[in-house]
Amino acid sequence: GAVVSQHPSRVICKSGTSVKIECRSLDFQATTMFWYRQFPKKSLMLMATSNEGSKATYEQGVEKDKFLINHASLTLSTLTVTSAHPEDSSFYICSAPRLAGVEQYFGPGTRLTVT
Amino acid sequence: EDQVTQSPEALRLQEGESSSLNCSYTVSGLRGLFWYRQDPGKGPEFLFTLYSAGEEKEKERLKATLTKKESFLHITAPKPEDSATYLCAVNSGGSNYKLTFGKGTLLTVNP
Repeated sequence: GAVVSQHPSRVICKSGTSVKIECRSLDFQATTMFWYRQFPKKSLMLMATSNEGSKATYEQGVEKDKFLINHASLTLSTLTVTSAHPEDSSFYICSAPRLAGVEQYFGPGTRLTVT
Repeated sequence: EDQVTQSPEALRLQEGESSSLNCSYTVSGLRGLFWYRQDPGKGPEFLFTLYSAGEEKEKERLKATLTKKESFLHITAPKPEDSATYLCAVNSGGSNYKLTFGKGTLLTVNP
């Protein structure tokens, strides 16, 4: 069964509003989680590393003020897309390493559409 | 900088026609090589982690192998339900487990 969940699976929002996406590890604790963005027919692009108890680490070119990440607990990380614009429309996926990184599991993804 | 190159970009097979997907990598120090399967509109599904040259792992019709420069995902007698994008990723260490992905191979198995 799934070991990482995401909510919501799909969201449509209006331009200028903010959207929060949750990522949960279901049966293990994750001090680190990762957020990816995936464009159609493209591979995953790492956006940021979410760290429990400390600030997120963002990849080069990713606006930290636009993509707010909060690692609220050992099983929950949230990504908030602030003041969303149509170009933010994408498929967002989170992942969490398990067993000291031996395995890394991905959530089912969230399809964001900004109108 | 870690680099992962997958080939071919796309592969069409007939049901039962075995083949292999390639993943070439360049890392400063390999901590793990991961294979995932991704269906359209879904997150990647974990398949295997390989750690050292010579290691092999199997799951149903899939077998992954690893050398010092590349990994192969062998698909034996594929079925249409094996159709998906197969992603390869590497972790080169550090205190986190950040993965660098290849662009994937889109596999289509025709009945």
